[in-house]
Amino acid sequence: GAVVSQHPSWVICKSGTSVKIECRSLDFQATTMFWYRQFPKQSLMLMATSNEGSKATYEQGVEKDKFLINHASLTLSTLTVTSAHPEDSSFYICSAAPGGNGGFFGPGTRLTVL
Amino acid sequence: QKEVEQNSGPLSVPEGAIASLNCTYSDRGSQSFFWYRQYSGKSPELIMSIYSNGDKEDGRFTAQLNKASQYVSLLIRDSQPSDSATYLCAVNKGGTDKLIFGTGTRLQVFP
Repeated sequence: GAVVSQHPSWVICKSGTSVKIECRSLDFQATTMFWYRQFPKQSLMLMATSNEGSKATYEQGVEKDKFLINHASLTLSTLTVTSAHPEDSSFYICSAAPGGNGGFFGPGTRLTVL
Repeated sequence: QKEVEQNSGPLSVPEGAIASLNCTYSDRGSQSFFWYRQYSGKSPELIMSIYSNGDKEDGRFTAQLNKASQYVSLLIRDSQPSDSATYLCAVNKGGTDKLIFGTGTRLQVFP
């Protein structure tokens, strides 16, 4: 299947700082990527759709000014968690797929905010 | 009603048995259906995709779709302890590429 990578795999930061997470499609171009968040023992919740060359679209309840998404190229989308707080601690996962249907997931980034 | 519903389990089956995982969805506009396997602490791994009514087989896995009943299932034949994981059903939101996930069914295969 298609390969999607994420970096970093885990990050610990202090409250109030910003954290950037990268999502790359390694063997295909992705005009659309998706960002999810998963809290312990819960399912994946779609946060936003990242569109190459245009603004991301956010799901209801997700603050676009807090979770900044940039999709500057056909292989890279970034999610920046601004002014992170402990409640933002979660497992952040991106997905993408050839053809646009977001079927393949990156390995995820575990964020811990102290 | 949740958009995608799954029994949380755990579903316990002995090694070598058939595990049957079920999922219902509410959006009649959905056209794409996926089963993912997620091990604890890892991201989901795509197992099967199905787009039309009927059965689709891939190795030990068979996905079944019934759009009239808004029901999709996954059968795992000859279950192995390594199959123990949480299985997530995902359905596209009608008319979009967005995936909506169920809460997952935890499968335990005991030797």
